Amino acid sequence: DAGVTQSPTHLIKTRGQQVTLRCSPKSGHDTVSWYQQALGQGPQFIFQYYEEEERQRGNFPDRFSGHQFPNYSSELNVNALLLGDSALYLCASSWDRGNEKLFFGSGTQLSVL
Amino acid sequence: DQQVKQNSPSLSVQEGRISILNCDYTNSMFDYFLWYKKYPAEGPTFLISISSIKDKNEDGRFTVFLNKSAKHLSLHIVPSQPGDSAVYFCAGTGNQFYFGTGTSLTVIP
Repeated sequence: DAGVTQSPTHLIKTRGQQVTLRCSPKSGHDTVSWYQQALGQGPQFIFQYYEEEERQRGNFPDRFSGHQFPNYSSELNVNALLLGDSALYLCASSWDRGNEKLFFGSGTQLSVL
Repeated sequence: DQQVKQNSPSLSVQEGRISILNCDYTNSMFDYFLWYKKYPAEGPTFLISISSIKDKNEDGRFTVFLNKSAKHLSLHIVPSQPGDSAVYFCAGTGNQFYFGTGTSLTVIP
């Protein structure tokens, strides 16, 4: 049973570019959440997708957008990259609202130069 | 708005002794609290959780204590093992998860 998988594992971009990160949830999970973890910080909630719609959103600008596909996989898009967007981006999956437990992928390390 | 705080960035403990990791929160509406463990180059993995209506939950070597009046929770690891060396995050959840900044635990053989 595959867990949460994310791609790519590492990515280097320059300021102003756009990036797309991908996530496949754990088998049987229908909800995907995205988190940003800056160096020395805890994961910060970006948004959550359920039934192909954004259900909740954290305190992130509109440059951060996402999508969930019918097979429950998800993408995180970031436009007009800033140096401060450099971070580990974590995808987590769960059942429904998942208020009890999240299962995390290994993350995508994004560096913006 | 840091709703969950871990004020100790690091902790070192001798193998076999008790490790106590602490966490404070400000949001009284949290209904679950969780601890996650993170190794380098891996995502956080779930360790143990506690409902806000309980004050203690135990799972093997790991026990979480919740003091709602103090808005404080702690994770006890007994006995500590070298493989427990990792970063530990506490989290509170209501309609979304709020994570602390983590405590790096080093268990010295």
